[in-house]
Amino acid sequence: AQKITQTQPGMFVQEKEAVTLDCTYDTSDQSYGLFWYKQPSSGEMIFLIYQGSYDEQNATEGRYSLNFQKARKSANLVISASQLGDSAMYFCAMRERPGNQFYFGTGTSLTVIP
Amino acid sequence: GAGVSQTPSNKVTEKGKYVELRCDPISGHTALYWYRQSLGQGPEFLIYFQGTGAADDSGLPNDRFFAVRPEGSVSTLKIQRTERGDSAVYLCASSPLVGMNTEAFFGQGTRLTVV
Repeated sequence: AQKITQTQPGMFVQEKEAVTLDCTYDTSDQSYGLFWYKQPSSGEMIFLIYQGSYDEQNATEGRYSLNFQKARKSANLVISASQLGDSAMYFCAMRERPGNQFYFGTGTSLTVIP
Repeated sequence: GAGVSQTPSNKVTEKGKYVELRCDPISGHTALYWYRQSLGQGPEFLIYFQGTGAADDSGLPNDRFFAVRPEGSVSTLKIQRTERGDSAVYLCASSPLVGMNTEAFFGQGTRLTVV
């Protein structure tokens, strides 16, 4: 079974609007971490935000927030006030214990329209 | 610089040749990861090291792929008898070992093209 599922291959959003990128995960561990990365066309992987399985509050980092619904095993990324520079691939990832491998989803391509 | 460094940035090789891809992690990072990313796909796990030893090599696709990290710092991914299907971007990342919330820091990748 896929550890991370991202069901939106491509998304479009108007500049200055908010957008939600979906991510569901599969694990039987109680302790795990969820990560979102951005990959622009230049190819580098840029870390955006982290959510721990025991964190009671949704993580926020500037314009990024994570809508964490543990019972549904979903960790959706919300980008507020979209900017043209947000156009990129976005990957959801999970790690089940410190130091272990990161499992990545297939990604969502986000295009911000002026 | 202080980031993860991968060399070469691009490598073109002929089918059947041997290639080595190098990764220089962030100093002090115990965990080192190799991923492969094909066009339009997410990173696919290959192998990860804790220190000098391969803690999990379950992602290596076959015995043509091998990776080492002899001194617990620089790592080399070695591919023998390359095939056209090996063409991809090979990403290296490093992370401190402790702490669930520590992200992986990625290099810029090596784009391997097998012709």
